Amino acid sequence: AQKVTQAQTEISVVEKEDVTLDCVYETRDTTYYLFWYKQPPSGELVFLIRRNSFDEQNEISGRYSWNFQKSTSSFNFTITASQVVDSAVYFCALSEIENYGQNFVFGPGTRLSVLP
Amino acid sequence: DVKVTQSSRYLVKRTGEKVFLECVQDMDHENMFWYRQDPGLGLRLIYFSYDVKMKEKGDIPEGYSVSREKKERFSLILESASTNQTSMYLCASSLKGGAYGYTFGSGTRLTVV
Repeated sequence: AQKVTQAQTEISVVEKEDVTLDCVYETRDTTYYLFWYKQPPSGELVFLIRRNSFDEQNEISGRYSWNFQKSTSSFNFTITASQVVDSAVYFCALSEIENYGQNFVFGPGTRLSVLP
Repeated sequence: DVKVTQSSRYLVKRTGEKVFLECVQDMDHENMFWYRQDPGLGLRLIYFSYDVKMKEKGDIPEGYSVSREKKERFSLILESASTNQTSMYLCASSLKGGAYGYTFGSGTRLTVV
């Protein structure tokens, strides 16, 4: 069965610190997709990144970077030089390749607070 | 800008009322979903639909029903609202297939008193 674990329930950092949000997943499929979403206080979940299971290249987008390691079933998210605007709940999610895409499993989320 | 629009941002209803939460997407997505989000419980899938007039139960369908008469609109219905249905409700849509992420609406915070 699929499962996504985000062991960190809440993290607090001071502005400009680097922070890594952990995501560990379980799946029996060899083809799957991993996602990160950000939910700011306004409530809407915002898509950040999608990674397929065949692409283990790390990705960097500005201050954000993602480390995908199939060997440890992890897809960790690092924010460099954090800012107050990064304060949000971050969700990791897993999707297996099904006809209708309903096998989309979210982790429980990590609440990040960036203090000024 | 593509969007998923939920009709109400905040809603207060009385116990026993029939409540309609509306969701409209303009991306021609096949799939639509309703989640509820509660502190400590994460996102829980209530119902989803992968085509017009089709619906499938998610993890917590009890006390809810849905309607999808048109591709762009997916309605969540609380037949008789109860206080334990006080929650944040999130609508999402996606293209068919697991390769595509979801686009979410901004949520409806429902309070049942």
